Order: sequence, then C-alpha cells, then structure tokens
Amino acid sequence: KAGVTQTPRYLIKTRGQQVTLSCSPISGHRSVSWYQQTPGQGLQFLFEYFSETQRNKGNFPGRFSGRQFSNSRSEMNVSTLELGDSALYLCASSLGQVGTEAFFGQGTRLTVV
Amino acid sequence: AQSVTQLGSHVSVSEGALVLLRCNYSSSVPPYLFWYVQYPNQGLQLLLKYTSAATLVKGINGFEAEFKKSETSFHLTKPSAHMSDAAEYFCAVSGAGGGSQGNLIFGKGTKLSVKP
Repeated sequence: KAGVTQTPRYLIKTRGQQVTLSCSPISGHRSVSWYQQTPGQGLQFLFEYFSETQRNKGNFPGRFSGRQFSNSRSEMNVSTLELGDSALYLCASSLGQVGTEAFFGQGTRLTVV
Repeated sequence: AQSVTQLGSHVSVSEGALVLLRCNYSSSVPPYLFWYVQYPNQGLQLLLKYTSAATLVKGINGFEAEFKKSETSFHLTKPSAHMSDAAEYFCAVSGAGGGSQGNLIFGKGTKLSVKP
C-alpha cells in the first residue's frame, strides 16, 4: 500500500508570492490534515478535510487555505507569503474516526526569502 | 481543552541504556494517545497508540508506553537504546473533549541522543 505522498519536497518562494502544496493520502483514507512545523512553535494543526469538507480548523490567518478533491487528494495554499511562513508542512491521512492513527507524508520544506 | 506536555526537550542516553521519555496529558475525558518518531528531514512515523484496550501498549522497534490515568501520564520506554533510536519523539492526543477526529495535539517534542 502506497504511503502519503507530498509534493514538492522543497520550495523556495519570495515574500508576497503564493504557494500551493499537494498531498495524496493513503488509498481509502478520507481524512487529510495539515500541520505546520517550525523550531519555535513545534507542530501546529492547520486544518482537516473529510470527504471534501473542512471539518476542523486551527488558529491560522485566512492566508492559509485548503481544499480536498473527490479522490481525497488535498491541496494547501498560502497567499501573500511572509518570512515567518518558512516551515515544514506535513500532511497526514487517516480513516477519520476518533482514535484512528494518522499517517504522515515526508513533508514539504517551504523557505520564504 | 486538551494539551500535552513533554518533560525534557533533550534526553541523552548511552547505547544499551534504558530510554524513558515523559509525556503528561490534560484531558477532561479519556483520551486517545500516540507516540510518533521523526528522523531528520522526514515526516512522523507512528510508534504506538493507546485507545483504552490495554494500559501497557507495545509499539514498533521495541518501544512501549504505559497509560496511567491517576498520573495523567503516557511515558515511552525502551529497555535498551540503540544508535538508530536517535531521533525526535512526539507525544500527541486526540479525541473527544478538544481535538476532533482529525486533529492531533502535539507536545513540543523530545530529542533523543544515543552515545556509543
């Protein structure tokens, strides 16, 4: 069974630009969650999509958005990039029920210059 | 709201020594608890999870964790450290009362170093 695939692995963007990250979950998983990981703040929850609907959202500004397609693949978009958006963005897929484990992709390393 | 506290941002042990990584949770209801490991520039890999079936949970790579409700703890242990165990370890909680089904709340992580 293929794991969670995130593309691209590395990105360098300029302040003010926008970026789109992609996540393909494990086959059969309907829940996709996104996390931001930085040395200072650790792992922070961005949002979760389940069957194409945003089911939960973390405390991030509206510049961070996402969507999920009918095949469960998900994209995350960050507009008007700031230097502080530099981070490892992790996607996790799961069956979506309480207590089920999440499987993580290798992440996308975003650097904003 | 649920939260997780990992005591010690860095832990160093000798190869062959006991590994003990501490995790305390805050939850008003019985939680689901997880330990994940992260190697440099990688995603997170699940080590083990607690879902109330048994208080002592065995995971991969020889790790285990014990759920102690009275202490609100879920410490991770391994009897004998190996060089390949050097990584960062995260405790996480999810479930009713705070984190919803798809939302994991993570501790700050503990970086484990293993000395030869």
